[in-house]
Amino acid sequence: AQTVTQSQPEMSVQEAETVTLSCTYDTSESDYYLFWYKQPPSRQMILVIRQEAYKQQNATENRFSVNFQKAAKSFSLKISDSQLGDAAMYFCAYRSTGRNYGGSQGNLIFGKGTKLSVKP
Amino acid sequence: ETGVTQTPRHLVMGMTNKKSLKCEQHLGHNAMYWYKQSAKKPLELMFVYNFKEQTENNSVPSRFSPECPNSSHLFLHLHTLQPEDSALYLCASTPGQRVAKNIQYFGAGTRLSVL
Repeated sequence: AQTVTQSQPEMSVQEAETVTLSCTYDTSESDYYLFWYKQPPSRQMILVIRQEAYKQQNATENRFSVNFQKAAKSFSLKISDSQLGDAAMYFCAYRSTGRNYGGSQGNLIFGKGTKLSVKP
Repeated sequence: ETGVTQTPRHLVMGMTNKKSLKCEQHLGHNAMYWYKQSAKKPLELMFVYNFKEQTENNSVPSRFSPECPNSSHLFLHLHTLQPEDSALYLCASTPGQRVAKNIQYFGAGTRLSVL
């Protein structure tokens, strides 16, 4: 079974600085998607960034970028020029495409989350 | 605003009460999900509905009873809950269940406290 591990329960960053949130996952499949979701204090979770395992190029969305290391099964999120509005819980998630030999499409699997604080 | 609305935002109930959580999406999606979010635990998928048909029941106790009358509405009926059921219950939707790259759109959740 696939698992997602976020080893940092809490992180802190100074406003305007850069922070990296870690995520590792365990799978025997080769075709899957990885996601970072953000849950602010308002509780409404939103997508930050998405990466397809077959794409070698790291996904970027404005100040958010990922470092996707497929062989190491690592998917870290880098937030540049941190802003106060970035303070939230960040969840890493995995989903199989179902196109893997002998595999099946599963549901979204989440890590436990990392709480990010941004200091003014 | 994600287009997914959950009511109520907060709910306190006794163990013998019956209550319902409501989720509505205005995105034209066909798949809807219930998740349970507890502190220091990953989100737990409870139920999935695809085109109004239940496709997943993740071994959820029968005191939780879902209902999906149409693709835009999802309910979670609660009865004789236990204190350990206290959690944030999140609803989500996607265009369809079977496309892995689909982004899940979440509501703001119902914070449930069982006394």
